[in-house]
Amino acid sequence: DIVMTQSPDSLAVSLGERATISCKSSQSLLYNNKNYLAWYQQRPGQPPKLLIHLASTRESGVPDRFSGSGSGTDFTLTISSLQAEDAAVYYCQQSWGAPPYTFGQGTKLEIK
Amino acid sequence: DVQLMVSGGALVRPGGSLRLSCAASGFTFTDYYMNWVRHTPGKGLEWVARINEDGSEKYYLDSVKGRFTISRDNVGDSVYLQMNSLRVEDTAVYYCARGYDYADYWGQGTLVTVSS
Repeated sequence: DIVMTQSPDSLAVSLGERATISCKSSQSLLYNNKNYLAWYQQRPGQPPKLLIHLASTRESGVPDRFSGSGSGTDFTLTISSLQAEDAAVYYCQQSWGAPPYTFGQGTKLEIK
Repeated sequence: DVQLMVSGGALVRPGGSLRLSCAASGFTFTDYYMNWVRHTPGKGLEWVARINEDGSEKYYLDSVKGRFTISRDNVGDSVYLQMNSLRVEDTAVYYCARGYDYADYWGQGTLVTVSS
């Protein structure tokens, strides 16, 4: 199975500052020029919400301060100017090839 | 609006059975793969089971193979997870989610607790 490792496990960022979360996969997620990597946000008591798929394609309605980048085995979720409502746990998830589709362990983002 | 209404979670003894249900609305159900994903404090998120549009293809997490069965009713727009021989480690919040290789909509989740 592909192992997804996020870093850091938690971080605290001030309002208006940039937050960066890393996700590394144990094998390349690149196939046919597409990276099969998604990012989710989970607020307390809520289900996960899809933010980004194919590494950098933002979902409709997701603020443009959220962006995804990377290729192969190294990916990044960036929140350009942190808002209070961005406090949550963030997960990456790979979908390369056949299941099992695995998630990272999560990164808890807090407001400093 | 897309809605996924999940029900069926409960406290059950080890070795027991439970059936989770997910009622879908707001989209053409037969156009989508459907999934069950669980969340535990210890293991985080796990993609438990997936079923294709007509129910002919199913995927299961290795640890639930032979114990869990995913199915769907394309007339009633619902997906189910039959869980047998439940173990303590199956304790989790179970989510119903729509999608083939990523989940674009999720239900609210239902808590399954396996404990003696």
